Amino acid sequence: QITLKESGPTLVKPTQTLTLTCTFSGFSLSTTGVGVGWIRQPPGKALEWLALIYWNGDERYSPFLKSRLTITKDTSKNQVVLIMTNMDPVDTATYYCAHRSGLAATGTFDYWGQGTLVTVSS
Amino acid sequence: DIVMTQSPESLAVSLGDRATINCKSSQSVVYSSDNKNYLAWYQQKPGQPPKLLIYWASTRGSGVPDRFSGSGSGTDFTLTISSLQAEDVAVYYCQQYYSTPWTFGQGTKVEIK
Repeated sequence: QITLKESGPTLVKPTQTLTLTCTFSGFSLSTTGVGVGWIRQPPGKALEWLALIYWNGDERYSPFLKSRLTITKDTSKNQVVLIMTNMDPVDTATYYCAHRSGLAATGTFDYWGQGTLVTVSS
Repeated sequence: DIVMTQSPESLAVSLGDRATINCKSSQSVVYSSDNKNYLAWYQQKPGQPPKLLIYWASTRGSGVPDRFSGSGSGTDFTLTISSLQAEDVAVYYCQQYYSTPWTFGQGTKVEIK
């Protein structure tokens, strides 16, 4: 059974750096084709893809946010970390991590965490 | 970036009736190497994360009722709920995973008439 859970601060101040951790179980991030991604959703708005890290360490980022994002993985701990710098109130959103299956399966995000709401305010 | 445009933004359908949601991509999401459409549909209920309904444009996800179906190819796609149930009230999103950045549509809210 695949599960993912996001953790991190619920409130950050403008200009601060946000660090979110995705802790997962039920799969290995060393399995060929597998990835873990981050997606966010401002209150009442649509989903926005942020970043994705693949089993082989390949990292992909939203071009709009690339300069502010870093995604890393710790395969031994079953964790993926997203770092977002220079936070602004417009970054207030629920942040989700999700499991990406390989192309032999769904090829996309088939398991999601419950999400964590991050508010940016002074 | 590939832009995903959904229509309508919202729709109200009577219980038991058909609901149809459209999604158009700004460029084709078919890979010539495998002839697959890299297009997914998600359902999101209030306070919940998205749930994968359809992948490869027309393959139902695990445990998804067969009243949900996906169709289309290239740049034009459709999600159909053949007989709307009360539990289908949600926002539905299409998403392309043909190329990064992966992009979502703006969502379609489905309600009961």
